[in-house]
Order: sequence, then structure tokens, then C-alpha cells
Amino acid sequence: DAKTTQPTSMDCAEGRAANLPCNHSTISGNEYVYWYRQIHSQGPQYIIHGLKNNETNEMASLIITEDRKSSTLILPHATLRDTAVYYCIVRVLSNDYKLSFGAGTTVTVRA
Amino acid sequence: NAGVTQTPKFQVLKTGQSMTLQCAQDMNHEYMSWYRQDPGMGLRLIHYSVGAGITDQGEVPNGYNVSRSTTEDFPLRLLSAAPSQTSVYFCASSTRTGLEAFFGQGTRLTVV
Repeated sequence: DAKTTQPTSMDCAEGRAANLPCNHSTISGNEYVYWYRQIHSQGPQYIIHGLKNNETNEMASLIITEDRKSSTLILPHATLRDTAVYYCIVRVLSNDYKLSFGAGTTVTVRA
Repeated sequence: NAGVTQTPKFQVLKTGQSMTLQCAQDMNHEYMSWYRQDPGMGLRLIHYSVGAGITDQGEVPNGYNVSRSTTEDFPLRLLSAAPSQTSVYFCASSTRTGLEAFFGQGTRLTVV
């Protein structure tokens, strides 16, 4: 699975959009981009995933560049409850299931 | 729908003791896995299973055993606990396509 690079931390103002970048320059054509988050002391929570098209769900939007070497997770209206570690993961959708978590980005939403 | 349930939530063991961390899911998911998370670090895969009777090693399997006799349950066994196994353990399950994994709330294990 391709390696990802994320900033260590970032702050965001409550009510504003939070844009979380992820670099995955070695991504292969059949690898998906997944985002998970982990709120303090809880298990990770799935947010969204995509292959090459932009995706949106009730939690967030995922923007993938045309060359697929980077992506951005957008939390449209950040709340204090969005404070968490956000993980960008790239993997093949294959028959086995393994998630490789890096260090992620610690996002702090401030009032 | 309970999702993924882990027991116990907290445990303190003495070095050399054995114990089993329990994980159960009620979503009829084929895939289940165990991760450990050390302070300030990401999750690391210990063992995983793609179906009943099938298990395989992940990134850090030493010191842990697993079995999968039913679809619902995937226990993790520590045969002889060591202080290096002090960690938070998470169990996860997902469907065959692996689009979304569901995680339990974790077991916080301290080995003294």
C-alpha cells in the first residue's frame, strides 16, 4: 500500500471549514484513499473514501487531485466534537482487510 | 445494533499472566482484526481473520494468539504478558469489500 504524508497538527476555528491535506505521491491506479478519525480514547471512526472522483457524505468531502498524488479532507463546519486525530490511508480494495495507520493529523477545533 | 463489543474495557496484569481479550460483532462481517495503539502512536495490526477458521499475522504478532471459530467472535490471547504489551487494544470488523471498518471502544491493558 502507498505511503501517506500528513501534517502533524493543525488548528481550526469552530464553525469554519477545516481542510486536511494528505500526500500520497506513490499511489497506484487501483488504490483507494480512505479517511478515518479517532476521537480521544475512542476507537477509530470511518469518515469517507474515494478512488479518483470527489466524494461527499454527511460528515465530510474528499477532494482528490487529478493526478491522484494528493487529497484533501474537508470538514465543512467544524465543531468542537471534531477535535480528533485524522488518518489518511491508501490501500487496495482486495480480499484481505488491513489498515495501515500512520501518525495522522491532530486537529484541534477552537471556540 | 451493538456493532463491535470489546471486553474488558480495562485490565491490569502481572508479568507472566495470561488472559484473553474478547471481541464480538453482530453485523455478520467476514473480516475481523486486532490492533494495538501505544501512547502517541498510530494503530498497528496484530492479527486478522478473513473468515471463520482463517487467521493470519499482521505487523506485530509476537506474543499474541488468535482463533476464529465463529463469524461473531475473534478473541485475542496473551499467553505470558510482558510490560511491552501495555497498550490499548482495538478490535475491528468489516465486510468482504472492506469499504468501512467498525472499531470497538478498546481495551486498556497494563502489564506490571
